[in-house]
Amino acid sequence: GQNIDQPTEMTATEGAIVQINCTYQTSGFNGLFWYQQHAGEAPTFLSYNVLDGLEEKGRFSSFLSRSKGYSYLLLKELQMKDSASYLCAVVDSNYQLIWGAGTKLIIKP
Amino acid sequence: EPEVTQTPSHQVTQMGQEVILRCVPISNHLYFYWYRQILGQKVEFLVSFYNNEISEKSEIFDDQFSVERPDGSNFTLKIRSTKLEDSAMYFCASSEKLDIPEAFFGQGTRLTVV
Repeated sequence: GQNIDQPTEMTATEGAIVQINCTYQTSGFNGLFWYQQHAGEAPTFLSYNVLDGLEEKGRFSSFLSRSKGYSYLLLKELQMKDSASYLCAVVDSNYQLIWGAGTKLIIKP
Repeated sequence: EPEVTQTPSHQVTQMGQEVILRCVPISNHLYFYWYRQILGQKVEFLVSFYNNEISEKSEIFDDQFSVERPDGSNFTLKIRSTKLEDSAMYFCASSEKLDIPEAFFGQGTRLTVV
């Protein structure tokens, strides 16, 4: 079967750095997305990785290792508005998104 | 910035009634999708649509569901006879390329079946 694993919940302090991990087992791989979702709102696109390595975009970076079936999202200089769920989603061999359950990130002052 | 728009933002309907959820994808996008998210649960794929036909659908997308692109701009999801368990957020998404799907989501329609 297809499976995406990420921690259910994480807590971090404002101004700090947090890393959210995602591991996956899917039928084929055509890329990995990270989305941010505030409660009651739509997912918003953060990053897309298809090659191994680190992609940096401002305070957010995403890393991919295809051989390990592993990705992480790194958030730096955390702000209170970063409190949200972070969803990992993998594009499988049929170009469909397989979604993780999301990691709820709680930022404390 | 171009965006995917969905209407209505919230729909309340009685069990057994038909509902139509509407979406206007980004104008130059060719691939369209519907997802749902039951409160507190993960996002679930329903269906993808390309070139005026369904390209993929999930087990959730049974005979009670249908999609249509009635004109050049709208993309609709119809649920023929709603059930209580259809209550969820329904998200429409569109993408320009097949290999980078669903980069853009609409704000969702919250469907409540009573």
